Amino acid sequence: AQSVSQHNHHVILSEAASLELGCNYSYGGTVNLFWYVQYPGQHLQLLLKYFSGDPLVKGIKGFEAEFIKSKFSFNLRKPSVQWSDTAEYFCAVNGPGGSSASKIIFGSGTRLSIRP
Amino acid sequence: SQTIHQWPATLVQPVGSPLSLECTVEGTSNPNLYWYRQAAGRGLQLLFYSVGIGQISSEVPQNLSASRPQDRQFILSSKKLLLSDSGFYLCAWSVGQGGKPQHFGDGTRLSIL
Repeated sequence: AQSVSQHNHHVILSEAASLELGCNYSYGGTVNLFWYVQYPGQHLQLLLKYFSGDPLVKGIKGFEAEFIKSKFSFNLRKPSVQWSDTAEYFCAVNGPGGSSASKIIFGSGTRLSIRP
Repeated sequence: SQTIHQWPATLVQPVGSPLSLECTVEGTSNPNLYWYRQAAGRGLQLLFYSVGIGQISSEVPQNLSASRPQDRQFILSSKKLLLSDSGFYLCAWSVGQGGKPQHFGDGTRLSIL
């Protein structure tokens, strides 16, 4: 069965620090990978996604993620974080499988707190 | 543009009472619909998904059920709530097959007393 691991439960950084949130998945086939973000009091929204092609994916708000197939990883990065990046970040994965529905499996989330 | 409505935003219910959470999607046809639960300190868990009217797939055995009486309506129900049903419930939709991102509602915070 597919699974997603986010090993950092809570990350605390100062503004302007660089960010890398880890995400590892287990699935033997072709995968689609996502990062979602949930800002305080807001709904979950898509940050970036990888389907195919360039393994370095650019998302909104200066975020990027790199798909490394050999490591089953899809880490999220940002060179310089801002206080407004305080949120919970979820990595997610799904594969084509045999289902017509896009079943996405989520990691447990990483809470990011930015000190002003 | 597509929108998703989920209500109520918060709900406090006693143990043993019934539950009905509603989710509707506008601006799209034949969406895939999903119910997730986010328990405190844990990640998002897929509870149910539906690819069409009357078609419900359950991902985990539990005290809850789902129904899809109309194309863009997805309902999460329980006959008798348990304390362990407390959590944050999210409805989501997507279109097409294989790997399309999902779009989420604002969620319902359910507290069981």
